[in-house]
Amino acid sequence: EAQVTQNPRYLITVTGKKLTVTCSQNMNHEYMSWYRQDPGLGLRQIYYSMNVEVTDKGDVPEGYKVSRKEKRNFPLILESPSPNQTSLYFCASSSLDSTDTQYFGPGTRLTVL
Amino acid sequence: AQTVTQSQPEMSVQEAETVTLSCTYDTSENNYYLFWYKQPPSRQMILVIRQEAYKQQNATENRFSVNFQKAAKSFSLKISDSQLGDTAMYFCAFLFYGGATNKLIFGTGTLLAVQP
Repeated sequence: EAQVTQNPRYLITVTGKKLTVTCSQNMNHEYMSWYRQDPGLGLRQIYYSMNVEVTDKGDVPEGYKVSRKEKRNFPLILESPSPNQTSLYFCASSSLDSTDTQYFGPGTRLTVL
Repeated sequence: AQTVTQSQPEMSVQEAETVTLSCTYDTSENNYYLFWYKQPPSRQMILVIRQEAYKQQNATENRFSVNFQKAAKSFSLKISDSQLGDTAMYFCAFLFYGGATNKLIFGTGTLLAVQP
């Protein structure tokens, strides 16, 4: 089954404790992206990757890091989480041909105390 | 910069009736895609329908159809024969094809409640 998976699905942590949210896709997609969803703001892009070892900032990259060492994986790293990073996070992937439909993971609900 | 506006924060419809969700967008580009995503209480983002800007024909997927007015930059979603399972947040989204970021730009969402 074609899918995007994220782990963990729920996480409660404390300020300053480094964490990683994993994302993996099995569709051989070149493009992967992280979004955060906040009430009244819709979804906003954090980072994206066009292919292995190619990453770049989206609209709200502050406080986040990513890496793309393998095509299927695109982890999101919070080196020193703060309460304003409490949010719902989505990973998405797509091919870079003309279809361009992005498929989303199930989401990760992060709470930073 | 592209923007997407959903002016209806909440809507309600009776089961089996038809409802239309509004979306407008602003762009100077000519090649782009438009999407409607559904987010039920499970929080999963589910693609409902997509429209390529170069296509004049409105997209349809079963009970879901769009009214795409390119000149007016309008992209509304019509849900026919509404079902209880259609209760969800609906997001309109824009993607510029061939852009540097492949970024989806989302509206703020419309929360649809289908009443029995």
